This record gives sequence, C-alpha cells and structure tokens, in this order.
Amino acid sequence: GAVVSQHPSRVICKSGTSVKIECRSLDFQATTMFWYRQFPKQSLMLMATSNEGSKATYEQGVEKDKFLINHASLTLSTLTVTSAHPEDSSFYICSARGWGFTDTQYFGPGTRLTVL
Amino acid sequence: AQSVTQLDSQVPVFEEAPVELRCNYSSSVSVYLFWYVQYPNQGLQLLLKYLSGSTLVKGINGFEAEFNKSQTSFHLRKPSVHISDTAEYFCAVSEGGTSYGKLTFGQGTILTVHP
Repeated sequence: GAVVSQHPSRVICKSGTSVKIECRSLDFQATTMFWYRQFPKQSLMLMATSNEGSKATYEQGVEKDKFLINHASLTLSTLTVTSAHPEDSSFYICSARGWGFTDTQYFGPGTRLTVL
Repeated sequence: AQSVTQLDSQVPVFEEAPVELRCNYSSSVSVYLFWYVQYPNQGLQLLLKYLSGSTLVKGINGFEAEFNKSQTSFHLRKPSVHISDTAEYFCAVSEGGTSYGKLTFGQGTILTVHP
C-alpha cells in the first residue's frame, strides 16, 4: 500500500518551454502532497506543500509563478515548470500523505528534468 | 526551527559487516523521526519511523534505529549488510504544530557495501 507514482520519469525540453509533472497516489487519498527538488549529490529541498482544493504553500525563495502547483483531486497533484531554463534542470520528487497516516510521507520515484 | 545532521557523508563497509549511520537532530518541540533510502535515480523509500513508544524501532530489510532523546540522536543500524544495501540514506524529522508533517532532511549518507 501507499504507492505514489510520477510521470514522466524523464523529460528533456528546450529553454523557454513549460513542462508538467504529474504525481498520483495510486491506492490512497492524498490529503497533502509535497514537492521537492534534489540537486546532484545533495539532499531534498522542499519547494511547496499542497492540500487538495486549496492553494499551495511555497517555501521561501521558491517562485510561485515559475513553479505552478495544482492539487485538483485527492489523488493527483501537478507541478508545472513555466518558461524553463537550464538552471531548472534537476530531479523533482513528490510525496503524499493521507488519511490514517498523516504522520508519514510516501515518495514518488522522481522526475529527471533536463532543460537544454 | 528544526535541523538534521548526518555526521558521515560516506560510509564504506564490507559485506556481512555491521553498520551504523549516524543522525542527530535539533528541535524545540517533540518530533517524529524517519529514515529513508534512495537508490540511484529513484525516489525515497521509507525504512522506518519513530512516532512514540518504544525507542528501538525495527524497519524493513533488517534495519533498526534507536531514538535517544537526551542525545537527540536517531542512529540507523544493521548487524550484517548486503551488497544490495548500497544506496544513499536520509534521516528526516518532522514537528507537530503548524508545520505538521513538513519534513526536514539531513544531507544524506552514501553507504557502499564492498564484496
């Protein structure tokens, strides 16, 4: 149980384009989803927290207009990187927690974004 | 604010040897503690967690960790490692209150198991 998927696993795009990453909870309803960014050989940095049906809460230093987060249902959250630039290249990981286990986050497999 | 320190960035060990990965945290309130494992180019998998109760927590793949409140530590141990345990391990902490559920991660420890 508590499986989280992400799609796509890898994406390569040109500078200036937008990229959407999906995060789905497959066998539970996710009350809260989190988006992280991980640079090579570094730890995870929380970007934002999203609750179903409400606006995401962004961490300090994360541009809201650049990283658009939508949590439209209890099983799906999306992260859209708008007008991507090479410095946005990174590994993006989502996590989710749900009813009955609000103390624990379960992580997706991650999405490798490369912006050329 | 909470913080997590993993004292060793890399830990090399031979197969079937015991291993301990160290984690210390700081927080002004009570915390929940977690260990996650990350294999290359993958997300994080929960190894074990401490929420309350017994300070010795057993997880998957033969790992265990002990919560020591006085030393603010949550070290991860395994009595006999396998080659397949080679991965990066992250210690994480979350607090109650308004930041409930928000995880702060340590820097990670790369465990390399040699034959």
